[in-house]
Amino acid sequence: QLVLTQSPSASASLGASVKLTCTLSSGHSSYAIAWHQQQPEKGPRYLMKLNRDGSLSKGDGIPDRFSGSSSGAERYLTISSLQSEDEADYYCQTWGAGIALFGGGTQLTVL
Amino acid sequence: EVQLVESGGGLVQPGGSLRLSCAASGFTFSRSWMSWVRQAPGKGLEWVANIKQDGSEKYYVDSVKGRFTISRDNTKNSLYLQMNSLRAEDTAVYYCARDADYVDYWGQGTLVTVSS
Repeated sequence: QLVLTQSPSASASLGASVKLTCTLSSGHSSYAIAWHQQQPEKGPRYLMKLNRDGSLSKGDGIPDRFSGSSSGAERYLTISSLQSEDEADYYCQTWGAGIALFGGGTQLTVL
Repeated sequence: EVQLVESGGGLVQPGGSLRLSCAASGFTFSRSWMSWVRQAPGKGLEWVANIKQDGSEKYYVDSVKGRFTISRDNTKNSLYLQMNSLRAEDTAVYYCARDADYVDYWGQGTLVTVSS
């Protein structure tokens, strides 16, 4: 069964970097994912699509501070030079056989 | 600029019906898969349904199968979600989304509240 697993929470200091993880379930390590950001009281925003080989394509206007990488069944979102507006929920998404699936989300706190 | 604008949300009693609409602009609507995604209060994102460019294929999350129907009108650049037999657990903000396998554009959402 296709499942995406994310840690519920993460924190990092202003100006630092943070790496968020999305793990694909067993047997699905080749799947691409997408990362989305949802700031408090706002709708989601597409950040990037991240492939198995680490190649990625970003959404409109997404800063270079946001990057992605892959290793096995894990897909990462790295945010560098953290700013206060990066405090948000981050969701990964994948798809297959016509359906889509979201991970449970990671709530990022910028200290 | 891509814009997706939802409408039609509101308060409805359990067992009732509601029809959501989404007006799309800024891209070739007829060439895009489209999706509905919802978010219950304080919860994460849940994909609800999607529809192929010509409407010939539709997929649904198990919890809404038989109750919700996704449709589109390419002449009006519009996406719809007909929701019947609504339950309290359908209470959520419903987002219209462009579906490129993954969502690459989101609407601002419309709130559906199912309560007596």
